[in-house]
Amino acid sequence: ELKVEQNPLFLSMQEGKNYTIYCNYSTTSDRLYWYRQDPGKSLESLFVLLSNGAVKQEGRLMASLDTKARLSTLHITAAVHDLSATYFCAVDWGEYGNKLVFGAGTILRVKS
Amino acid sequence: GAGVSQTPSNKVTEKGKYVELRCDPISGHTALYWYRQSLGQGPEFLIYFQGTGAADDSGLPNDRFFAVRPEGSVSTLKIQRTERGDSAVYLCASSLNQRGGNSPLHFGNGTRLTVT
Repeated sequence: ELKVEQNPLFLSMQEGKNYTIYCNYSTTSDRLYWYRQDPGKSLESLFVLLSNGAVKQEGRLMASLDTKARLSTLHITAAVHDLSATYFCAVDWGEYGNKLVFGAGTILRVKS
Repeated sequence: GAGVSQTPSNKVTEKGKYVELRCDPISGHTALYWYRQSLGQGPEFLIYFQGTGAADDSGLPNDRFFAVRPEGSVSTLKIQRTERGDSAVYLCASSLNQRGGNSPLHFGNGTRLTVT
């Protein structure tokens, strides 16, 4: 059974600071996704990581994937208040398609 | 263009009743998924359709849950004899192709089901 663990589960940080969210998973997979969820809203796709060593960047967020270590990171650079949300990583487990197994999520609060 | 549409947005029902939740995927998306999200947790996979057929229904918790997609577009998740433990947000998602590839899942806003 695939297990996906995120840490930290809650992160409070000051604007302008840097931090990294970690996503570990228990079984081989070469597809990992990061999603953002605002309170009461649905999930918004941030990054799709499809191979070992993949790195994607969008604005102040950068995601990477190390399939050998079964680890993905989401790095936040110079955080701003608008980044406050819950961030989920999800690993593709299914034989036929996107049977994603999600982590528990990291609640990020950026304080002004 | 329009995203994934789910109706109703909220549903309150009494224990033991039957409910139907509807999902209208993005036009042209052949793959459709149902997930369930409980408070404070990540979404959990329920079922995946490729076209009209359920390619993987291994996430359905028991036989009270059933989903259909008769014409390969709109899908309905049906829950019989609802229990309080069924209370959650039910998310529908669609994607362009079978294994995602470069196409992530596009989620709807969900239906918040409350069983009293």
